[in-house]
Amino acid sequence: DTAVSQTPKYLVTQMGNDKSIKCEQNLGHDTMYWYKQDSKKFLKIMFSYNNKELIINETVPNRFSPKSPDKAHLNLHINSLELGDSAVYFCASNPGGPTDTQYFGPGTRLTVL
Amino acid sequence: SQQGEEDPQALSIQEGENATMNCSYKTSINNLQWYRQNSGRGLVHLILIRSNEREKHSGRLRVTLDTSKKSSSLLITASRAADTASYFCATDGGNQGGKLIFGQGTELSVKP
Repeated sequence: DTAVSQTPKYLVTQMGNDKSIKCEQNLGHDTMYWYKQDSKKFLKIMFSYNNKELIINETVPNRFSPKSPDKAHLNLHINSLELGDSAVYFCASNPGGPTDTQYFGPGTRLTVL
Repeated sequence: SQQGEEDPQALSIQEGENATMNCSYKTSINNLQWYRQNSGRGLVHLILIRSNEREKHSGRLRVTLDTSKKSSSLLITASRAADTASYFCATDGGNQGGKLIFGQGTELSVKP
């Protein structure tokens, strides 16, 4: 009965590689998000999709490309990984209103060597 | 720019004591939320307080909001070892399309 799930939980890879993180929510929410949490626990929004449409795109390098095949899924593809990409990436969802509670996935810890 | 600033950055107390964490923010808001993050886990929503509310309770949690000072506090009463976690405030930053802006969190350690 997992609400927001992410795979993989851990990802260790070499610089320059391309990797993807997947996210799925079974809450029927319209809006999904990707956040990046750095080593100091600072959490920053990267992208937001509402019903498969991109609505928030923060200042994120073009190497990061989100993709939403349907409103229950939001994947994150990262090209040419760099050391600075090492972080924990969280997916979240909410019903869509700006005042709504967000539901977070368990996170994907990405380590770039 | 970062919206929320939590204070203190770290707090260590004994079981049974109360824990108070503060959050300050910079812009007008529609609401402010508090989340908890256990080590190695995702964030869990605790409580949401709207800009026209001054205080809200949920179990052992009490949240206050002072929009004139752009600040909020989270009080956990009768703390337990299981309350050990990082606590984050998040604001909607006014009308910013539904995105939440998080502070850097307060790391709470409750010793048994």
